Amino acid sequence: DQQVKQNSPSLSVQEGRISILNCDYTNSMFDYFLWYKKYPAEGPTFLISISSIKDKNEDGRFTVFLNKSAKHLSLHIVPSQPGDSAVYFCAATGTSYGKLTFGQGTILTVHP
Amino acid sequence: GAVVSQHPSWVICKSGTSVKIECRSLDFQATTMFWYRQFPKQSLMLMATSNEGSKATYEQGVEKDKFLINHASLTLSTLTVTSAHPEDSSFYICSAHRGADYNSPLHFGNGTRLTVT
Repeated sequence: DQQVKQNSPSLSVQEGRISILNCDYTNSMFDYFLWYKKYPAEGPTFLISISSIKDKNEDGRFTVFLNKSAKHLSLHIVPSQPGDSAVYFCAATGTSYGKLTFGQGTILTVHP
Repeated sequence: GAVVSQHPSWVICKSGTSVKIECRSLDFQATTMFWYRQFPKQSLMLMATSNEGSKATYEQGVEKDKFLINHASLTLSTLTVTSAHPEDSSFYICSAHRGADYNSPLHFGNGTRLTVT
């Protein structure tokens, strides 16, 4: 049972444009959501998070939106840069901040 | 810079042997560390929670006798894959919260690529 789903395996975007990565979840007990970026053979790097009491959190070029009623969150990267090319994982938790449930990941490719 | 260090970054071993992976928190103490595993083209899955000074807590389906976890100090947790088999080949990643603020996000090590031949 996949409680966190990233339905787009890959996304290709032109440099300077907006990248929108989507994530859906099914567990109503999740109340904290995170986005991680991962390069091959490396561990995930934290990008941005959002608590369920908010619907938006912004940090520089990265903005995360949360729609609790739809159980959906998205990560917006604007403007996209070639260095943003990586695998992006959304993750959620509702019990312990260390026990994360990850989505399958979306491969983002930003073309120069 | 990195806040969690993992060693080795890759290891190849023969079936039946054991492999130890170390996870260290750098310049902070971690009473709890978390071990994840990622199979090729799949998501990261939590294996176990490593607790300093006490037994680890394993997720459902993870064999505690096969994946031995020791958290003997506040900066070091080890995962030993015992009697390794080819199906244990995977990417193992440890993580920890920085400091005592459990509202802070989880920081991950760079992972260990285990290949069992």
